[in-house]
Amino acid sequence: DGGITQSPKYLFRKEGQNVTLSCEQNLNHDAMYWYRQDPGQGLRLIYYSQIVNDFQKGDIAEGYSVSREKKESFPLTVTSAQKNPTAFYLCASSGGYNQPQHFGDGTRLSIL
Amino acid sequence: KNQVEQSPQSLIILEGKNCTLQCNYTVSPFSNLRWYKQDTGRGPVSLTIMTFSENTKSNGRYTATLDADTKQSSLHITASQLSDSASYICVVSARNNDMRFGAGTRLTVKP
Repeated sequence: DGGITQSPKYLFRKEGQNVTLSCEQNLNHDAMYWYRQDPGQGLRLIYYSQIVNDFQKGDIAEGYSVSREKKESFPLTVTSAQKNPTAFYLCASSGGYNQPQHFGDGTRLSIL
Repeated sequence: KNQVEQSPQSLIILEGKNCTLQCNYTVSPFSNLRWYKQDTGRGPVSLTIMTFSENTKSNGRYTATLDADTKQSSLHITASQLSDSASYICVVSARNNDMRFGAGTRLTVKP
């Protein structure tokens, strides 16, 4: 089945620790995105990548980093510089302009 | 500032009833508008996508309308089912690919 896989489903971070969220897609999509979802708010864009080896900051990139070494993979690292990391993180991919985004089932990150 | 406002914030209806969710936006220049359904703890799933020239689009019991002049869209759900309980998110894209998400409407369908 084609789709997007995010792992882990739940993740806990200690103070001062970096954690990496995985996102893999087998849809052969060029574009991939990371969003953060907080209660009562719309999704906010963290980073996006239109092509391998290239990525751009979104609206709330501070405290996060990404890489895009392979078309299928777009991992997100939540660094210790992100002071309020508790949220639901969603990864998405898209086949092109005016095409719907396909989302993974998210990773819920909490602070210990 | 590009924004998307959805109403109501939450809605409770009885199974079998119809309902309409609203989306107002200020995104400009407009490119397309999408409605997504998000089950609790899952990622959003696309329901419809409409461009400037389309004013209605259906997907089964879901019908989306778009009035580009007033910058309003609605999602109408017919003969609701328990499985329709979810959050419904309106997403509006500008021509520069800037995408804005509404906060969603939380729909609960009760038996």
